[in-house]
Amino acid sequence: SYELTQPPSVSVSPGQTARITCSADALPKQYAYWYQQKPAQAPVLVIYKDSERPSGIPERFSGSSSGTTVTLTISGVQAEDEADYYCQSVDTSGTLFIFGGGTKLTVL
Amino acid sequence: QLQLQESGPGLVKPSETLSLTCTVSGGSISSGSYYWGWLRQPPGKGLEWIANIYYSGATYYNPSLKSRVTISVDTSKNHFSLGLTSVTATDTALYYCARLPYNSGWYDGFDYWGQGTLVTVSS
Repeated sequence: SYELTQPPSVSVSPGQTARITCSADALPKQYAYWYQQKPAQAPVLVIYKDSERPSGIPERFSGSSSGTTVTLTISGVQAEDEADYYCQSVDTSGTLFIFGGGTKLTVL
Repeated sequence: QLQLQESGPGLVKPSETLSLTCTVSGGSISSGSYYWGWLRQPPGKGLEWIANIYYSGATYYNPSLKSRVTISVDTSKNHFSLGLTSVTATDTALYYCARLPYNSGWYDGFDYWGQGTLVTVSS
């Protein structure tokens, strides 16, 4: 079965760089997407097509892809970035949408 | 500004059918280049995709739920709906509707979400 694997948690101090990874077999053929979800809020798309940033998303959020792993990078982490982050992709047929298990980002 | 709003019963009995509607405002559901989707999140757990629909009626379903799920669209009312049959306690979740842009063969991610509606399955 097609799965996306994320680390359960990542911790960084304010001002540092946070990197959250997401790996799967099909990623080289399909794009990845990243969502930020704060408590009691709906998810927000922060990166699409591996590295594109939607309008309104701060420049400190960036995405990259290498082989079967995509990475969400948050540069100069701020307290407000503390949230759960989910990667999402699509299977090679383009009809099955999969989410990673989520990564809780803690800002120390 | 596009807005999506989920509506439906917050409590459903086991074995019955869950029915939700997502009303889209600030834009037309049939404007093209968009799929419309349902997703859910059990309390304290991660996100799960349920189904997508195009305004023309083309549908994609999560294979794990496909036998119990129906997604439909009513362009005259600018809304789309979800039906989930034979529910059990494991279907208790926050249900979201969302928009999914589709351009040149690629998706652009679920870019607009409703606030979510909690559905509890209990007798």
